[in-house]
Amino acid sequence: KAGVTQTPRYLIKTRGQQVTLSCSPISGHRSVSWYQQTPGQGLQFLFEYFSETQRNKGNFPGRFSGRQFSNSRSEMNVSTLELGDSALYLCASSLTGRRSGANVLTFGAGSRLTVL
Amino acid sequence: GQNIDQPTEMTATEGAIVQINCTYQTSGFNGLFWYQQHAGEAPTFLSYNVLDGLEEKGRFSSFLSRSKGYSYLLLKELQMKDSASYLCAVRDDKIIFGKGTRLHILP
Repeated sequence: KAGVTQTPRYLIKTRGQQVTLSCSPISGHRSVSWYQQTPGQGLQFLFEYFSETQRNKGNFPGRFSGRQFSNSRSEMNVSTLELGDSALYLCASSLTGRRSGANVLTFGAGSRLTVL
Repeated sequence: GQNIDQPTEMTATEGAIVQINCTYQTSGFNGLFWYQQHAGEAPTFLSYNVLDGLEEKGRFSSFLSRSKGYSYLLLKELQMKDSASYLCAVRDDKIIFGKGTRLHILP
């Protein structure tokens, strides 16, 4: 069974540009969550999607957006990039959207974004 | 507000036992998770607690006290491969992570 696949794995952008990251969840998983990981702040929740609907959103500016497609694949977009957006962006999928313990997150390897 | 606290770094010796503590304050509670993350890799699931008490899984055990907002992860018979960051996470309506504890294992 394939795991969570994130593309691209590494990318370099300059300030003011925009970026789109992609996440393919484990087959059968319908919930996708996105996190930003930095050395100083750890994993910070960006948003969660279930059945193409955003269920939750973290405390990030509107420059950060996402969507989920009917096949559960998800994308996140960051517009007008800032130096502080340099981070590892992790996607995690889970079986359902239920808030139950069996709903364990499985992470992808991440997309490492460097903003120059 | 929501807050999850755990020590930044810990050091232990190969073969020993180490306990990593986590305290949390969240608006809701639907379970607590522990994840392991090796440098440069994705976090991987270790354990889940939703009721008070101890959950044992091989060399790893996790404890939860909901009334105290407290959990710990116990690692026994430490091996060099246990050198990693350990992340405590709490689910209310979403899963929120602490900043992680970097564990160093000395030979």
